[in-house]
Amino acid sequence: NAGVMQNPRHLVRRRGQEARLRCSPMKGHSHVYWYRQLPEEGLKFMVYLQKENIIDESGMPKERFSAEFPKEGPSILRIQQVVRGDSAAYFCASSPPYSPSYNEQFFGPGTRLTVL
Amino acid sequence: SQQGEEDPQALSIQEGENATMNCSYKTSINNLQWYRQNSGRGLVHLILIRSNEREKHSGRLRVTLDTSKKSSSLLITASRAADTASYFCATDADDYKLSFGAGTTVTVRA
Repeated sequence: NAGVMQNPRHLVRRRGQEARLRCSPMKGHSHVYWYRQLPEEGLKFMVYLQKENIIDESGMPKERFSAEFPKEGPSILRIQQVVRGDSAAYFCASSPPYSPSYNEQFFGPGTRLTVL
Repeated sequence: SQQGEEDPQALSIQEGENATMNCSYKTSINNLQWYRQNSGRGLVHLILIRSNEREKHSGRLRVTLDTSKKSSSLLITASRAADTASYFCATDADDYKLSFGAGTTVTVRA
């Protein structure tokens, strides 16, 4: 049973470009979460999705950031017109399809975004 | 503000010694999780302890939870060089939104 997959592992973008980060949850998991980690800090919640639904995006910046989890395929975190402050590690986590409050979230290896 | 805060920020020990780190949080939780992160890598889930549990073991790891003090501790016994990593506690005070501290960086010297 493969773990949470994320790609790419490293992404370099110039200011103004778009960044697309992909996450495939563990088999059987239908809840996906995105977190951001700035250098020397802990992870900060961004968004929680289920298939075809955004459940909670309260941690995501209002502009330039969007997330989706389509019926087929991976979850995508999209950052438009990237700025240097977007440079961070972005982690995806998944959990089983029952109450997310009581279960472990399993994390992927992360995508390290560098904005030049 | 961060819900979970680890203490100390950094810890350096000799191989074979025990390492203890603490986590304090502010509001009621359903469960508390500990994760390990090796430098530049992803998070590895270590252990989950529920609010009605006081102690849990997994291999060389021992986790305690004191809900009256809103604190948890992670003990790594007989440390190895491979235990060198950052350790984070994560709480779910805000439901599924895990809240992480800045972590404890553990260095195990050979």
